[in-house]
Amino acid sequence: KQEVTQIPAALSVPEGENLVLNCSFTDSAIYNLQWFRQDPGKGLTSLLLIQSSQREQTSGRLNASLDKSSGRSTLYIAASQPGDSATYLCAVGPDKLIFGTGTRLQVFP
Amino acid sequence: DTGVSQNPRHKITKRGQNVTFRCDPISEHNRLYWYRQTLGQGPEFLTYFQNEAQLEKSRLLSDRFSAERPKGSFSTLEIQRTEQGDSAMYLCASSLPGGAVYGYTFGSGTRLTVV
Repeated sequence: KQEVTQIPAALSVPEGENLVLNCSFTDSAIYNLQWFRQDPGKGLTSLLLIQSSQREQTSGRLNASLDKSSGRSTLYIAASQPGDSATYLCAVGPDKLIFGTGTRLQVFP
Repeated sequence: DTGVSQNPRHKITKRGQNVTFRCDPISEHNRLYWYRQTLGQGPEFLTYFQNEAQLEKSRLLSDRFSAERPKGSFSTLEIQRTEQGDSAMYLCASSLPGGAVYGYTFGSGTRLTVV
């Protein structure tokens, strides 16, 4: 049974810092891994999607990497801003997504 | 296309009442998923459809829960005889047939509170 773990559970940093959020999964037979952002009381916004054949994806200040063999993915956020404050969730596919419990990020001015 | 739409946004109901939620997916997406999220947890899979066919149901979906997708367009999720443990955010997502390739788009969710 696939299990997804995210570390740390919570993170509080000053504005401008570069951050790394971690996601690990127990079964390496995944089709893809997707990172989402969730603001309090809201739905999920897709950030990055990495196919199993890919090693990384980039969008603006975000970079996500995938190492299937070791069952790990990292989300790198460069030059963090207060607007980045949210919960970040990773999920593995295919079909039904299996989610981690998220990393709650707070970036203070 | 305005994305995945869910209604209502919030629902407060008394224990024992029935509730129904609606999800309108992105029009060209033929796959539709329902998830449930409790406070501090990641979303948990409930069920998914390809067109009008319900392809998989989680064990979390007790016999008080039923989902439909008539004509392969919008979907409804009904909870009968609600219990306090049903209080959660109910999320809907949709994807193209190769969801694993294109990813998933989520709606804003329906927050259910059972009092």
